[in-house]
Amino acid sequence: AQRVTQPEKLLSVFKGAPVELKCNYSYSGSPELFWYVQYSRQRLQLLLRHISRESIKGFTADLNKGETSFHLKKPFAQEEDSAMYYCALNTGGFKTIFGAGTRLFVKA
Amino acid sequence: EAQVTQNPRYLITVTGKKLTVTCSQNMNHEYMSWYRQDPGLGLRQIYYSMNVEVTDKGDVPEGYKVSRKEKRNFPLILESPSPNQTSLYFCASSRTGGDSYEQYFGPGTRLTVT
Repeated sequence: AQRVTQPEKLLSVFKGAPVELKCNYSYSGSPELFWYVQYSRQRLQLLLRHISRESIKGFTADLNKGETSFHLKKPFAQEEDSAMYYCALNTGGFKTIFGAGTRLFVKA
Repeated sequence: EAQVTQNPRYLITVTGKKLTVTCSQNMNHEYMSWYRQDPGLGLRQIYYSMNVEVTDKGDVPEGYKVSRKEKRNFPLILESPSPNQTSLYFCASSRTGGDSYEQYFGPGTRLTVT
């Protein structure tokens, strides 16, 4: 079955600490993975996608096909990173499966 | 401004009273989709559309209908709403083709069915 798992509902870290939001997927085909972010009172928006291999706002994510993971990482968390983060799997281009989301809280 | 709009933003209705939530995008995107967001479940796809007159079911289509008569619009129809359809609904659109399936989301519609 196609599935995206984000094991942590809530992640709380101190400002300046490293942060890792976990995402594991189940999909037999070639996956296309994304991280979306929803800041308070804002729309859900794309943070990054695995095919572009870019770093956005200091965040990176590497696709590990062996472990079927796409964890989101940032070496030094900032207070403005506090938000809801969703990992998403695009299957065949049109059907999208989202994880349940992880709320990141960065404490001062 | 390129955007996805939804109306209404908030709606309280009663069981069985048909309703429509509209979604419109001005980016000439081929792909549009509806999601519902529930606590602990994240976003679940209801229906999606690859282009005009082409739609398909997502993971939770029961109780919903959609139509895509124009490229810019993708309304979500609840013929006979029930309390278990109380949720936050998001519409999204994206280009198709190439290497980009980035979805642009609307602001959400909070629906309460009593």
